[in-house]
Amino acid sequence: DQQVKQNSPSLSVQEGRISILNCDYTNSMFDYFLWYKKYPAEGPTFLISISSIKDKNEDGRFTVFLNKSAKHLSLHIVPSQPGDSAVYFCAASGYSSASKIIFGSGTRLSIRP
Amino acid sequence: DGGITQSPKYLFRKEGQNVTLSCEQNLNHDAMYWYRQDPGQGLRLIYYSQIVNDFQKGDIAEGYSVSREKKESFPLTVTSAQKNPTAFYLCASSTVGTRSNQPQHFGDGTRLSIL
Repeated sequence: DQQVKQNSPSLSVQEGRISILNCDYTNSMFDYFLWYKKYPAEGPTFLISISSIKDKNEDGRFTVFLNKSAKHLSLHIVPSQPGDSAVYFCAASGYSSASKIIFGSGTRLSIRP
Repeated sequence: DGGITQSPKYLFRKEGQNVTLSCEQNLNHDAMYWYRQDPGQGLRLIYYSQIVNDFQKGDIAEGYSVSREKKESFPLTVTSAQKNPTAFYLCASSTVGTRSNQPQHFGDGTRLSIL
């Protein structure tokens, strides 16, 4: 049973436009959410996170939105750049020192010129 | 520069053979993790350790073993009991606070294939 779902395996966006990556979760105990970016043959790198007490967190071109009632979060990248082409993983964890981070299956973002 | 080093980058295993994947970090992180990634799937947790000489099973620990004798090192052994070991293996580390949701730092992975 996938607790963190990224239903779009791939997304293509024109350079300069907004990229929106979506993520849904099923476990209401999750209260911390993260996005990671991964290039081929490399490990994921942490991008941005959000706590459940907030509904928005912004860092430069990256903004994460959290809708707790819908159990949905999204990552907005604006403007999209060629270097943003990568696989993006959504992840979630609960409020506990024993909580594990659960990853989604990833969305491959391609930025076209 | 601080970081996580995984070696080797590519590894081949014969049927019935155990292999060990290396993971070393110099970030002074207490927690270390091993994940497995298969095509089209997310990262699945194999084992994790929050302190030296202690580790816990993740979601898919069967056929794997680990040790944590030093803070810097968390090697993963893929045993012959793991029937489908071909995958991309990622090691990660993080600090440990009152919540376990500290962002993890990842190595560049080891791709294991069966001969």
